[in-house]
Amino acid sequence: EAQVTQNPRYLITVTGKKLTVTCSQNMNHEYMSWYRQDPGLGLRQIYYSMNVEVTDKGDVPEGYKVSRKEKRNFPLILESPSPNQTSLYFCASSLSPPSGNTEAFFGQGTRLTVV
Amino acid sequence: AQTVTQSQPEMSVQEAETVTLSCTYDTSESDYYLFWYKQPPSRQMILVIRQEAYKQQNATENRFSVNFQKAAKSFSLKISDSQLGDAAMYFCAYRSAVTGANSKLTFGKGITLSVRP
Repeated sequence: EAQVTQNPRYLITVTGKKLTVTCSQNMNHEYMSWYRQDPGLGLRQIYYSMNVEVTDKGDVPEGYKVSRKEKRNFPLILESPSPNQTSLYFCASSLSPPSGNTEAFFGQGTRLTVV
Repeated sequence: AQTVTQSQPEMSVQEAETVTLSCTYDTSESDYYLFWYKQPPSRQMILVIRQEAYKQQNATENRFSVNFQKAAKSFSLKISDSQLGDAAMYFCAYRSAVTGANSKLTFGKGITLSVRP
């Protein structure tokens, strides 16, 4: 079954304690991305990766890091989480244009609370 | 930069009736994709329908159809015969088709649809 797996689904942590949210896809997709969803703002891109070892900032990258050492995995790292990073996070993967199949597959979401 | 606007934060529809969700976007590109995603309380992002900008024909998926007006940069979603399970937040999204570019999804703010029994 084609899927994107995120872990954990829920996380409560304290300010400053480093954490990693994992993301793995089994579809051999080149393109992977992280989004955060906040009320009234929709989803906004944090970081993306166009292939292994190729990553770049999205629209809201401050306070986050990513790595892409393998094609299937794209972890999101918060080195020193702060309360303004409390949000719902989604990992997504897809083929890259000009592929005709452009559907993005999303993980189940991670609800992060930083206190 | 591309932007997507969903100006209605909430809508309500009677079960079995038809409802239309509005979306406008702004882009200078000629080739792109447009999507509607559904997010039920489970938070899962579910693709409802997709439209390629180069196709003039409006996309249809069972009870869901779109009205794509490229010149007006409008992309509305029509849900026919609304069902209780259609209650969710709906997001309109844009994706560039330019090769080599960041093919991110640019989302609108979403609209919460409720269905009255």
